[in-house]
Amino acid sequence: GENVEQHPSTLSVQEGDSAVIKCTYSDSASNYFPWYKQELGKRPQLIIDIRSNVGEKKDQRIAVTLNKTAKHFSLHITETQPEDSAVYFCAAGGGSYIPTFGRGTSLIVHP
Amino acid sequence: GAGVSQSPSNKVTEKGKDVELRCDPISGHTALYWYRQSLGQGLEFLIYFQGNSAPDKSGLPSDRFSAERTGGSVSTLTIQRTQQEDSAVYLCASSSLPTVYEQYFGPGTRLTVT
Repeated sequence: GENVEQHPSTLSVQEGDSAVIKCTYSDSASNYFPWYKQELGKRPQLIIDIRSNVGEKKDQRIAVTLNKTAKHFSLHITETQPEDSAVYFCAAGGGSYIPTFGRGTSLIVHP
Repeated sequence: GAGVSQSPSNKVTEKGKDVELRCDPISGHTALYWYRQSLGQGLEFLIYFQGNSAPDKSGLPSDRFSAERTGGSVSTLTIQRTQQEDSAVYLCASSSLPTVYEQYFGPGTRLTVT
């Protein structure tokens, strides 16, 4: 089955800095890679996703890049703000209808 | 429109008791997932329903766990003879074809087994 590794587990940045979270996957059949943001005590929410037919996707301050050859994808957040503080989960799917999630990255943005 | 809802939001139960957790997916969403999230951990897949197909139960941790989905809508996750290690947040998510992976999560049920 699919295996998703996510790093780092914790990321601390100053407001205005960029943050990068990386995930690797094992199943070459995976073709869908979403990212979820979970604020403390709240539900995970989809913030951006990418499919295997593109290498990069942007939405304002967030972007995701995908390298299918190396089987890794990354979330990039620019100009971080305190409200970006949350746990971010990556996931991979496509080999089945059940996505496999990474263990999460706790992002802390210091004002 | 209305999002995914779950009830109860919190449940405290004694070890050995049975509990039922409910999920109301977004209307029209054919896919429904249950996950378990322990404190500080990721999302552990439990069970997947798609339309009228047989559910994928491959993530259920033991035979004490079961789930039903009636009429292709509401789902109930049942845990029998609860154990302390069952304490976690149970999340439900739904999605619609063809973007089957755009999952919309409910607020979760926090289960505490004493």
